[in-house]
Amino acid sequence: GAGVSQTPSNKVTEKGKYVELRCDPISGHTALYWYRQSLGQGPEFLIYFQGTGAADDSGLPNDRFFAVRPEGSVSTLKIQRTERGDSAVYLCASSYGTSGPLNEQFFGPGTRLTVL
Amino acid sequence: AQSVAQPEDQVNVAEGNPLTVKCTYSVSGNPYLFWYVQYPNRGLQFLLKYITGDNLVKGSYGFEAEFNKSQTSFHLKKPSALVSDSALYFCAVRDNYGQNFVFGPGTRLSVLP
Repeated sequence: GAGVSQTPSNKVTEKGKYVELRCDPISGHTALYWYRQSLGQGPEFLIYFQGTGAADDSGLPNDRFFAVRPEGSVSTLKIQRTERGDSAVYLCASSYGTSGPLNEQFFGPGTRLTVL
Repeated sequence: AQSVAQPEDQVNVAEGNPLTVKCTYSVSGNPYLFWYVQYPNRGLQFLLKYITGDNLVKGSYGFEAEFNKSQTSFHLKKPSALVSDSALYFCAVRDNYGQNFVFGPGTRLSVLP
């Protein structure tokens, strides 16, 4: 079956620009997560959705970062006024059920964001 | 706040030998512990988890991990390593208060033929 997909796979942008990263979770998975992974580091939690609502957005680094999941499936991570330090691989994961992070997370291939 | 340490950046082991990838953690309350693996050019994959119960947890591909509360450790083990086990391994923890996950920095495992 189809796994988690993320688009685009690569995004190059200029400092100060706005970007949107999209995640299509596995059908039926109610939980969705966004992470950021810098080179040589583990994934860093950003935000967790249960259905349409953000159950935990404590990992968003500042108010330039925002994520939505309006219909409880596809999610978009939005970054305003990008900075060079935002360059990283952005990972999306989904899981079934309402136990959130206690369930196995299925990860997408990631979007590599480069801010010049 | 919870944290995870993986003290070894790199572990090398000969094929057929046992392997251990170390993980220690710090959380408030009871820990929920996980191992994920990242193969080259592939996404992160779940290996196993400890939530409660038996301290020895068995997972995918013959891997297992032992939860040790007194040592706050959750080391990943396999009795006989395969070359195909070569990958990047991440330990992760969640406490029973919040919803977020904390991943360790990863350990690169190389199994030599």
